[in-house]
Amino acid sequence: EAGVAQSPRYKIIEKRQSVAFWCNPISGHATLYWYQQILGQGPKLLIQFQNNGVVDDSQLPKDRFSAERLKGVDSTLKIQPAKLEDSAVYLCASSLISRSGSYNEQFFGPGTRLTVL
Amino acid sequence: GIQVEQSPPDLILQEGANSTLRCNFSDSVNNLQWFHQNPWGQLINLFYIPSGTKQNGRLSATTVATERYSLLYISSSQTTDSGVYFCAARDTGRRALTFGSGTRLQVQP
Repeated sequence: EAGVAQSPRYKIIEKRQSVAFWCNPISGHATLYWYQQILGQGPKLLIQFQNNGVVDDSQLPKDRFSAERLKGVDSTLKIQPAKLEDSAVYLCASSLISRSGSYNEQFFGPGTRLTVL
Repeated sequence: GIQVEQSPPDLILQEGANSTLRCNFSDSVNNLQWFHQNPWGQLINLFYIPSGTKQNGRLSATTVATERYSLLYISSSQTTDSGVYFCAARDTGRRALTFGSGTRLQVQP
């Protein structure tokens, strides 16, 4: 079974530029998450989708970050304009939803390492 | 929201030694996972263990949900076990995982 796919793996941009990350979850996983991991810290949730609807975006800096999952499969996370403090690894994860509606084990992609100069 | 604390923050072992990593959480959970983050940044699933005990080779984990902690045991450690170990929990009111700050493990030959 293929895992969560992400691209690109690395990106270097200058501040005020824009950047986009792509994620393809595990086949059949209805729930998709984007996390931000700053060096030396644990990942922190940015946004969660169930199918193509947003479940939780309370931690997403909406003045500069946006995300979409138009067909309930792939997702794109965009930053515009980027700031120095956005330098981090951006991780995508996915999980199944059980018949009871509970959320199961999450699986993570390899991440995109963003450096903002 | 739920708070997740891990200890110790750093651990240095000689190859072959055993270790115990601890994860405390502040609220009831319906999901608890342990991950190993390798040097390339990939989060590798070790255990999905909201309660009870599981074993996988040299690794085992126990979660005592009523006392709000989980333990990860590593036996006969190898240099390839080096990296950061994260505990992450989801409380009953939130759908995403909250991560601890990790335990950085270094296994020396």
